[in-house]
Amino acid sequence: KNEVEQSPQNLTAQEGEFITINCSYSVGISALHWLQQHPGGGIVSLFMLSSGKKKHGRLIATINIQEKHSSLHITASHPRDSAVYICAVRSYNTDKLIFGTGTRLQVFP
Amino acid sequence: GAVVSQHPSRVICKSGTSVKIECRSLDFQATTMFWYRQFPKQSLMLMATSNEGSKATYEQGVEKDKFLINHASLTLSTLTVTSAHPEDSSFYICSAPSSRRGPSSSYNSPLHFGNGTRLTVT
Repeated sequence: KNEVEQSPQNLTAQEGEFITINCSYSVGISALHWLQQHPGGGIVSLFMLSSGKKKHGRLIATINIQEKHSSLHITASHPRDSAVYICAVRSYNTDKLIFGTGTRLQVFP
Repeated sequence: GAVVSQHPSRVICKSGTSVKIECRSLDFQATTMFWYRQFPKQSLMLMATSNEGSKATYEQGVEKDKFLINHASLTLSTLTVTSAHPEDSSFYICSAPSSRRGPSSSYNSPLHFGNGTRLTVT
């Protein structure tokens, strides 16, 4: 079992839909990152969380440390949101990043 | 915002040749640079961590003599794939943490990634 699990693996949506991507982890962490990887491969850091909730534009990220779970929400989705979204946690013990396998999102007009 | 510039974005080389990939931090000082490898539809895999002015730390299973890392300054880290083989074909990407307070010192600072290098060895 992977230390970081994401669901769903693949997600398709119509433009305007509300989207949720989930991330569960099994190790103690000092921080959790949500990343966006575009088709060309480039990666953009969306959020870094250690508690609570953060919002940036149409994106919202939440984390529940007790349940070892984080969610990334996209409101009013748009085709340009189509990308792979990756959850990564920094292990408290090793200080290394552990990556989920990503959620491939496609938003159709 | 902080930017990591990675070059080249794409390279095709013949077996046996060496390829150098550069990552530069453009508006912050990167004392640490992480080098990752990614196979199609798989997670990023950490290859090594480079620290300015000292030897890189390699992950288990990564050959340090094959993947040479140099981090000679606070703004430049390089990865050289030596004697490349077709199985080295992959997507290589670097990342550096940054801190608004100056030289990156915290692993829990925001991460900044290069755009990656797609290496094809024929």
